[in-house]
Amino acid sequence: GDSVTQMEGPVTLSEEAFLTINCTYTATGYPSLFWYVQYPGEGLQLLLKATKADDKGSNKGFEATYRKETTSFHLEKGSVQVSDSAVYFCALSKAAGNKLTFGGGTRVLVKP
Amino acid sequence: NAGVTQTPKFRVLKTGQSMTLLCAQDMNHEYMYWYRQDPGMGLRLIHYSVGEGTTAKGEVPDGYNVSRLKKQNFLLGLESAAPSQTSVYFCASRVGGTNTGELFFGEGSRLTVL
Repeated sequence: GDSVTQMEGPVTLSEEAFLTINCTYTATGYPSLFWYVQYPGEGLQLLLKATKADDKGSNKGFEATYRKETTSFHLEKGSVQVSDSAVYFCALSKAAGNKLTFGGGTRVLVKP
Repeated sequence: NAGVTQTPKFRVLKTGQSMTLLCAQDMNHEYMYWYRQDPGMGLRLIHYSVGEGTTAKGEVPDGYNVSRLKKQNFLLGLESAAPSQTSVYFCASRVGGTNTGELFFGEGSRLTVL
């Protein structure tokens, strides 16, 4: 079945550092890919998405590029802030399907 | 702007007790989902519904039942709670039709089973 694998955390960074969170997937067909973010005490919310190969999703300074050749969708941000401390989830879905498959989540802690 | 609302937010049960988690959404969404979140395991789908009166099993349905009697509500029941069901439960919803992948989540319900 479909699956998503993320790097394990926690990832601890200093403010203004560069952030990368690796995500790879296994799926048949052509899934859409997503990054969700969960701030402390809250539910998940969509951060960005890409629906086809080579698409780049971006939001709030975060970017991720859909790489079909490496089945990856790594999340990056050039300069993190304390407010970026959260758990980040990579996920995939199929257009004709009903469900979203999530990775295990990566906790990021940004220190001032 | 309520979005997706879950009640209760916290609950402690003893083994063998029953309870129901309520999810309500005010966005007229067709699809609704119940996930559980456990450390290191991400979110796992328990049950979902693609419309009023319909339900389907996800990856970890055992020990849970659901009902979708009204479009805006999706109930998750535990008939006989077990310590393995200690978790944070999230409800989510989305519009019907093609799966764009954008789910709207509630704030979660933390359940502890002693």
